[in-house]
Amino acid sequence: GNSVTQMEGPVTLSEEAFLTINCTYTATGYPSLFWYVQYPGEGLQLLLKATKADDKGSNKGFEATYRKETTSFHLEKGSVQVSDSAVYFCALSTIQGAQKLVFGQGTRLTINP
Amino acid sequence: EADIYQTPRYLVIGTGKKITLECSQTMGHDKMYWYQQDPGMELHLIHYSYGVNSTEKGDLSSESTVSRIRTEHFPLTLESARPSHTSQYLCASSEPSGFYGYTFGSGTRLTVV
Repeated sequence: GNSVTQMEGPVTLSEEAFLTINCTYTATGYPSLFWYVQYPGEGLQLLLKATKADDKGSNKGFEATYRKETTSFHLEKGSVQVSDSAVYFCALSTIQGAQKLVFGQGTRLTINP
Repeated sequence: EADIYQTPRYLVIGTGKKITLECSQTMGHDKMYWYQQDPGMELHLIHYSYGVNSTEKGDLSSESTVSRIRTEHFPLTLESARPSHTSQYLCASSEPSGFYGYTFGSGTRLTVV
């Protein structure tokens, strides 16, 4: 079946540090890949997405590239801010089968000033 | 503005009470979903709907029930709340394939005392 594995957290960084959160997936067919962010006390917000191999999704300084050869979709940001502190979820969706979004377990990120 | 709304945001209720969590969306999406999020952040799909008069059980068994009488409305009901139902409940919607991701509401944090 389809699955997503995320880098385990929590992750703590200092402001302006470089961020990478690893995400790898297993899927039948050709999935779409997503990163969602959940700020404290809120629901999930779509941060970025990529729908085919080699696509790069980007938003708010975050980037992730759909790598079919390594089945990965790692999230990166060059210089994090305190306001980036949140939980980040990697997810995939396929047109085949049940067409349900499959989430990773989430990574809690804390940025210290 | 197209969006998805959940009410209430917070609910504290006694054991044995009947509760309904409301979810409405203005995007005309056919598919809607309920997730339960545990304190460890993991998201569990408990119910989903393909459209009016369609309801399906999700991946995690739940004592809650749902209904879909109107496209825009997907309420979740607990007939007799118990402390084990204490959790964050997130509602989401998507276009039919789900291939472009889900839109989430802000969530309802339920505490049963």
